[in-house]
Amino acid sequence: NAGVTQTPKFQVLKTGQSMTLQCAQDMNHNSMYWYRQDPGMGLRLIYYSASEGTTDKGEVPNGYNVSRLNKREFSLRLESAAPSQTSVYFCASSEAGSGNTIYFGEGSWLTVV
Amino acid sequence: QKEVEQDPGPLSVPEGAIVSLNCTYSNSAFQYFMWYRQYSRKGPELLMYTYSSGNKEDGRFTAQVDKSSKYISLFIRDSQPSDSATYLCAMWYSGGGADGLTFGKGTHLIIQP
Repeated sequence: NAGVTQTPKFQVLKTGQSMTLQCAQDMNHNSMYWYRQDPGMGLRLIYYSASEGTTDKGEVPNGYNVSRLNKREFSLRLESAAPSQTSVYFCASSEAGSGNTIYFGEGSWLTVV
Repeated sequence: QKEVEQDPGPLSVPEGAIVSLNCTYSNSAFQYFMWYRQYSRKGPELLMYTYSSGNKEDGRFTAQVDKSSKYISLFIRDSQPSDSATYLCAMWYSGGGADGLTFGKGTHLIIQP
């Protein structure tokens, strides 16, 4: 039972480069999320998708775009990476409207130099 | 005032001790109260959630909610070195969507063998 799978796990980017973080879940969940976690800042919501075909901004969306490719997959794109985007990124999923049972992936460690 | 306050620790206790982890919150709309465990370089793992006030027990773990005081606790009995991790509280209200889910910044717990 894979749950939420993220790729890549580690990535180093140069300032200005672009990249996409991939996420897939096998729990048939409707809602998916992207968070970033920084020391002293906790988990902050970047974007979420309440259901297939919809996406909404979270607390810190600037510099990111998302695509809900289908029910299983939700990708996060950095168009022009900046050092401030150095962080750990977590994808998560839940049943529709169930913020009390969110399941996270293992994380993607991104360093922008 | 932040919505959810959690002491970052570290909290260091000897093996076998009872551990008490706590969070306070300010938004009286919160209905669901969750605890996540996060091991180093891993994603948060949902431990348990409680609806409204009261206690919920799961093995060595007990979650307690006092809505009148806006205070929640997680107790770990017979603590083990494998319990060493960061524990995040989270809170959510139905109808709030993804924006209604708020995390504490986590308490780093160390169980000394």
